[in-house]
Amino acid sequence: NAGVTQTPKFRVLKTGQSMTLLCAQDMNHEYMYWYRQDPGMGLRLIHYSVGEGTTAKGEVPDGYNVSRLKKQNFLLGLESAAPSQTSVYFCASSFAIETTGELFFGEGSRLTVL
Amino acid sequence: GENVEQHPSTLSVQEGDSAVIKCTYSDSASNYFPWYKQELGKRPQLIIDIRSNVGEKKDQRIAVTLNKTAKHFSLHITETQPEDSAVYFCPRDNFNKFYFGSGTKLNVKP
Repeated sequence: NAGVTQTPKFRVLKTGQSMTLLCAQDMNHEYMYWYRQDPGMGLRLIHYSVGEGTTAKGEVPDGYNVSRLKKQNFLLGLESAAPSQTSVYFCASSFAIETTGELFFGEGSRLTVL
Repeated sequence: GENVEQHPSTLSVQEGDSAVIKCTYSDSASNYFPWYKQELGKRPQLIIDIRSNVGEKKDQRIAVTLNKTAKHFSLHITETQPEDSAVYFCPRDNFNKFYFGSGTKLNVKP
């Protein structure tokens, strides 16, 4: 039982390059989320998904795309990376609040855009 | 998203003292109130949560109290230890979307 796994854990990109962050969970959670964390800014919700095949925008969705083709995976894509996207990215998953509501986070992915 | 107000933004206490962090919310429909702890360089983890039909919940040295009339809930840590040093968050939910503020940075001085 691995919980929530993010890959890669570290990545350095040049401005304009593209990349995909993969989040995988083995807890059969319906909900999955992508957050970014910058110093002094707390965690900000980028996109989220309430089930397989669904995605929705969070607080700061611009410059990112997501897909959830399988229930256990949630992909975050950067089509044209910008220095402002330098951040630590956390994926999380959960059951609905009516069940437990606890968010399980991955270890984070540190992205640097030069 | 939901308005998250957390106070104080930083808190420094001496080891063994108590620490209290307060979170206010605006949505009267809220019925789930969690607290997360994030140690430096680590992922956030749930430490305690409470539902609206309960006024207080304890787990060893930590407790959460809820005041629905005043629309705030608080995290209480007693007998603080250096390992309690971390950032604490009280995310607000909006139909299973969780919004985190900047948190409270707690420093426990040995």
